[in-house]
Amino acid sequence: DIVMTQSPLSLPVTPGEPASISCRSSESLLHSNGHNYLDWYLQKPGQSPKLLIYLGSTRASGVPDRFSGSGSGTDFTLKISRLEAEDVGIYYCMQARHAPQTFGQGTKVEIK
Amino acid sequence: QVQLQESGPGLVKPSETLSLTCTVSGASTSSDCWGWIRQPPGKGLEWIGYVTYSGDTNYNPSLEGRITISQDRSKSQVSLKVSSVTAADTAVYYCARRTTASGTFYNWGQGTLVTVSS
Repeated sequence: DIVMTQSPLSLPVTPGEPASISCRSSESLLHSNGHNYLDWYLQKPGQSPKLLIYLGSTRASGVPDRFSGSGSGTDFTLKISRLEAEDVGIYYCMQARHAPQTFGQGTKVEIK
Repeated sequence: QVQLQESGPGLVKPSETLSLTCTVSGASTSSDCWGWIRQPPGKGLEWIGYVTYSGDTNYNPSLEGRITISQDRSKSQVSLKVSSVTAADTAVYYCARRTTASGTFYNWGQGTLVTVSS
């Protein structure tokens, strides 16, 4: 199985400050069609995960533009330009390039 | 707006079969894929598998042999069965709409906790 490694696992951030989460894959997620099959999800406390970013860098409908995804191949990053209180929760990356689909361990973002 | 609602017993005895149903509204199970993901208490997410609009299935090899995912188009429902359960199968089970093009889980249900215990 593809191993997805996120860092850091815990990220305290001051509101209004930027935040960055890294996700590394044990194999390339780049398809011959040019797309990276990497998604980002946010699980707020007591809720189910919600899609933020798909195909590495495309924001899902309704996701604020302070969220951005980048990277290619095996290294990906989720950035929050200015953290808001509502952004706290656990962020997961997930690869869909290779079966079975696998998730990172999750990064817990909290208010400093 | 697509909505998914999981339902089923919250308690299952060891060695028995866990059965869950996901009722879909706002979309047809005759299109897209419909998947299941689970999350043991306090832990991360594990992909279980999915069923396509045509009825094809794909399961996590770590669970294969114990998993059956199917759909009932007439009821707009997707079902999950996990046989021979143990305490390790205790988790919140989520159903989700999965796009064929990218494997992305666009919409998730609220999840249902299933505890395996005698």
